[in-house]
Amino acid sequence: DGGITQSPKYLFRKEGQNVTLSCEQNLNHDAMYWYRQDPGQGLRLIYYSQIVNDFQKGDIAEGYSVSREKKESFPLTVTSAQKNPTAFYLCASSFRQREAGTEAFFGQGTRLTVV
Amino acid sequence: GESVGLHLPTLSVQEGDNSIINCAYSNSASDYFIWYKQESGKGPQFIIDIRSNMDKRQGQRVTVLLNKTVKHLSLQIAATQPGDSAVYFCAEKGGSNYQLIWGAGTKLIIKP
Repeated sequence: DGGITQSPKYLFRKEGQNVTLSCEQNLNHDAMYWYRQDPGQGLRLIYYSQIVNDFQKGDIAEGYSVSREKKESFPLTVTSAQKNPTAFYLCASSFRQREAGTEAFFGQGTRLTVV
Repeated sequence: GESVGLHLPTLSVQEGDNSIINCAYSNSASDYFIWYKQESGKGPQFIIDIRSNMDKRQGQRVTVLLNKTVKHLSLQIAATQPGDSAVYFCAEKGGSNYQLIWGAGTKLIIKP
């Protein structure tokens, strides 16, 4: 089945550690996105990538890093520079072209907790 | 546009009644609009979409209305059921980079 997979579902991190969240899609989508969601709030864009080996900062990129070495994969690293990393992280993917059904498909999220 | 740091507005509806969730979009160049449903602890799921050359589109129990004059989008859910309890987000796409822009979201609560 085609889809977008995030792992792990739950992640605990000690203060000062970097952690990497995985996102893989087999939908042949060009674009991939990372969002952060805090309790009771909407989605905030961290990074997005329209094509392999290229990515752009979103609204809250500080303290995060990404890579896009493969079309299928867009891992997010939460670095120790991110002062308040506890949140629900969502990965999404979509086609770029206007003509295609360009809705985004989401993974099931990773809940990161700093302990 | 995006309402960073604000808590979600809430809509309470009696089970069986119709629900109307509203969204004001920000970019007059947007030509594609999407509604998503997010259940607690899960990722958002696509409900219905509409392109700017349409005013109305219907799905199963859901209808999306688009008013480009006032940049307003609404989602109507007929005969609301307990399973409709969720947060509903609108999103728009358009402009030169054709990026998704998310609305703030509305929490729908179903009263028995």
